[in-house]
Amino acid sequence: TQLLEQSPQFLSIQEGENLTVYCNSSSVFSSLQWYRQEPGEGPVLLVTVVTGGEVKKLKRLTFQFGDARKDSSLHITAAQPGDTGLYLCAGAGGGGADGLTFGKGTHLIIQP
Amino acid sequence: ETGVTQSPTHLIKTRGQQVTLRCSSQSGHNTVSWYQQALGQGPQFIFQYYREEENGRGNFPPRFSGLQFPNYSSELNVNALELDDSALYLCASSLAGFPSYNEQFFGPGTRLTVL
Repeated sequence: TQLLEQSPQFLSIQEGENLTVYCNSSSVFSSLQWYRQEPGEGPVLLVTVVTGGEVKKLKRLTFQFGDARKDSSLHITAAQPGDTGLYLCAGAGGGGADGLTFGKGTHLIIQP
Repeated sequence: ETGVTQSPTHLIKTRGQQVTLRCSSQSGHNTVSWYQQALGQGPQFIFQYYREEENGRGNFPPRFSGLQFPNYSSELNVNALELDDSALYLCASSLAGFPSYNEQFFGPGTRLTVL
């Protein structure tokens, strides 16, 4: 069974601070995706990383896939209250028919 | 481009009843997956349908079943509801094929409460 561990589980910081969320596994994934979910809504895809060592940037968000494709990180620079939400990492196996394996998520609160 | 839609938004059932949840896939997508998200947890994969056939299943009992229709819309059926079935049920559509990174696009979910 593939498992994804996310840390921290909860994070509350002040506007303007930087933060990093981690997603770790003992399994190798063919791709890894980061989603953001707001209360009462479904997860919204932020980014997909595929190649070991890959780094992708989305404005103030930087995503990295580990060299061995077992872990990933999300770094937010100068966090804003609009970044508040549940951040989920999800790994895809090679077959595609097994669905995504999600971590439990990181609840992020950015205080003004 | 139409996104993923789900109905109903909320549903209350009692233990032992049966429920049907519906999903309309994003335009152009041929694969639909269903997930269960308990409060405070990440989504858990229930099953996936491609070309009207179940082609992948997570660790859920047979009382969770589904259908995919020719227009790629889908249903999730749960029989003999249990209290632990209370959760947000998410439908996600994707496009199978190469290259496929299994990027999935989620609907807003159906909140099911079992009393």
